[in-house]
Amino acid sequence: DTGVSQDPRHKITKRGQNVTFRCDPISEHNRLYWYRQTLGQGPEFLTYFQNEAQLEKSRLLSDRFSAERPKGSFSTLEIQRTEQGDSAMYLCASSDKLVEFGEQFFGPGTRLTVL
Amino acid sequence: AQKVTQAQTEISVVEKEDVTLDCVYETRDTTYYLFWYKQPPSGELVFLIRRNSFDEQNEISGRYSWNFQKSTSSFNFTITASQVVDSAVYFCALRGQEETSGSRLTFGEGTQLTVNP
Repeated sequence: DTGVSQDPRHKITKRGQNVTFRCDPISEHNRLYWYRQTLGQGPEFLTYFQNEAQLEKSRLLSDRFSAERPKGSFSTLEIQRTEQGDSAMYLCASSDKLVEFGEQFFGPGTRLTVL
Repeated sequence: AQKVTQAQTEISVVEKEDVTLDCVYETRDTTYYLFWYKQPPSGELVFLIRRNSFDEQNEISGRYSWNFQKSTSSFNFTITASQVVDSAVYFCALRGQEETSGSRLTFGEGTQLTVNP
């Protein structure tokens, strides 16, 4: 069990560019979550998947954001036409639906800086 | 709507002091789950503990203890004999009933704990 991994760890981009992040959950975890954390704040929920189905999306997830989990394993989060306000840490977490209380285990995050 | 409030933005203590981090929550769900996570300077959130709304037993794990009081909607976290390695941001989080509130975690704004030698 290698934990949740995220790639890249850091991304610097210019406003208007598209970026894509990847998350690999803990193996056997069927639930995968994306959160966003800005400086000095707690993480805010963006979306989550159970297997390949996207079951819930936050209002924070504007139409410039899209997330996929095509085979129920890894997930990608794409931001189109990035804006400076998108600068944040993007956190991925996974959990096991079969575990009643479903603690979420987090990856190291991808820090996005939009210039 | 669910809400978690961590009123203490920053706490600074000297090593070996005891310190309590406060957490107050709001939810309409009758069943819910409370969590504490630690975020060290490296940035990765580390799960510490989970508590269910139907289990008000307090818990102790080494130097850590948690006091869950449903009557005051609080879930406070105490570190006994603090150490420099305890320096981190600590987050309290809430998950409600899946049928009504989904599977998301709602986090507080965090408390930055600094333990000085």
